[in-house]
Amino acid sequence: DQQVKQNSPSLSVQEGRISILNCDYTNSMFDYFLWYKKYPAEGPTFLISISSIKDKNEDGRFTVFLNKSAKHLSLHIVPSQPGDSAVYFCAASGGAQKLVFGQGTRLTINP
Amino acid sequence: EAGVAQSPRYKIIEKRQSVAFWCNPISGHATLYWYQQILGQGPKLLIQFQNNGVVDDSQLPKDRFSAERLKGVDSTLKIQPAKLEDSAVYLCASRPVYANTGELFFGEGSRLTVL
Repeated sequence: DQQVKQNSPSLSVQEGRISILNCDYTNSMFDYFLWYKKYPAEGPTFLISISSIKDKNEDGRFTVFLNKSAKHLSLHIVPSQPGDSAVYFCAASGGAQKLVFGQGTRLTINP
Repeated sequence: EAGVAQSPRYKIIEKRQSVAFWCNPISGHATLYWYQQILGQGPKLLIQFQNNGVVDDSQLPKDRFSAERLKGVDSTLKIQPAKLEDSAVYLCASRPVYANTGELFFGEGSRLTVL
């Protein structure tokens, strides 16, 4: 049972443009949603999160949007930079405070 | 502040052999997690500790995997005997008790290749 899904395995974006990564979930009990970034041979690093009581959270170039009725969240990166090239994981947290991860989306920023 | 430390970074073994991974969480972090990340997939939780007690081990293949956190600080994950499908990166993560956002702090991982 895949509770968190990222349906796009990869995404290619031109430098300076907007990158939009999408994530869907099935469990309405999740109370926090997070995005992690992962470079090769490194562990995932936290990027940005959003509480289920909010619909938007912004941090610099990164904005996460949450649509609870659609059980959908998205990460917007603008403007995209070459250093943003990485695998991005969507994750969700419920009362047990463990994270359930999506499959990841590989983002490539082209110069 | 020092991050989550894991060792070894890489391990290659033959099937049916055993392997152990070690993790030292961030100082003061009471909760420790072991995740398995198979190539092309997202991390999957194997076991969660709160201090030295197990909170969740429902997805740990207990016939071959074991984990302990005896003194509530560092932890060891063991696989015996290993199977080909155990080839993965084993990620250790920790979080402080007071955190309520779900954020986990991950180590760099231990990459296991089973031949």
